Amino acid sequence: EAQVTQNPRYLITVTGKKLTVTCSQNMNHEYMSWYRQDPGLGLRQIYYSMNVEVTDKGDVPEGYKVSRKEKRNFPLILESPSPNQTSLYFCASSVGQGSGYTFGSGTRLTVV
Amino acid sequence: AQSVTQPDIHITVSEGASLELRCNYSYGATPYLFWYVQSPGQGLQLLLKYFSGDTLVQGIKGFEAEFKRSQSSFNLRKPSVHWSDAAEYFCAVVIRGTYKYIFGTGTRLKVLA
Repeated sequence: EAQVTQNPRYLITVTGKKLTVTCSQNMNHEYMSWYRQDPGLGLRQIYYSMNVEVTDKGDVPEGYKVSRKEKRNFPLILESPSPNQTSLYFCASSVGQGSGYTFGSGTRLTVV
Repeated sequence: AQSVTQPDIHITVSEGASLELRCNYSYGATPYLFWYVQSPGQGLQLLLKYFSGDTLVQGIKGFEAEFKRSQSSFNLRKPSVHWSDAAEYFCAVVIRGTYKYIFGTGTRLKVLA
């Protein structure tokens, strides 16, 4: 089944403790992206990647890092999480700019 | 700056009634246009998309959307709503030639039995 898989689905962590949210897609998509979703703000793009080793900042990149060493994987790294990064995170992939996204099921992160 | 506006934060309709969700975008050229649906606890699912050509596009789950260039709008419609349509709906645009996605803030649909 074609899908984007994120792990974990739920995560509670403490301020300053480094964490990684994994994202993997099995559709050979070149384009991958991370979003955060907050009430009243819709989805805001954190980082995106157009191919292996090609990444760029989205609208809200502060406090996040990404890497794209393989085509299928696009992990999101929070080096020193803070409470304002408490949010619902989505990974998405796409075959092309006009084809629409396939989204993962989301990761609900709480930073205390 | 480019933007996508969904003016209705919440909409409530009765089951069997028709539905129209509004979406307006602010951009000089015609972008790619999308509607997504998000059920509670789920990721977003693509309902339909517009690239060019026929301005009325059909999607999954019985939804359709009409692109109106003169109004910079891409409204989503369904003739008869089912209880299972209760969800949040997001309009999005992609600026042609880029991978820049812009999402609206969403419209939450409630369906009354």
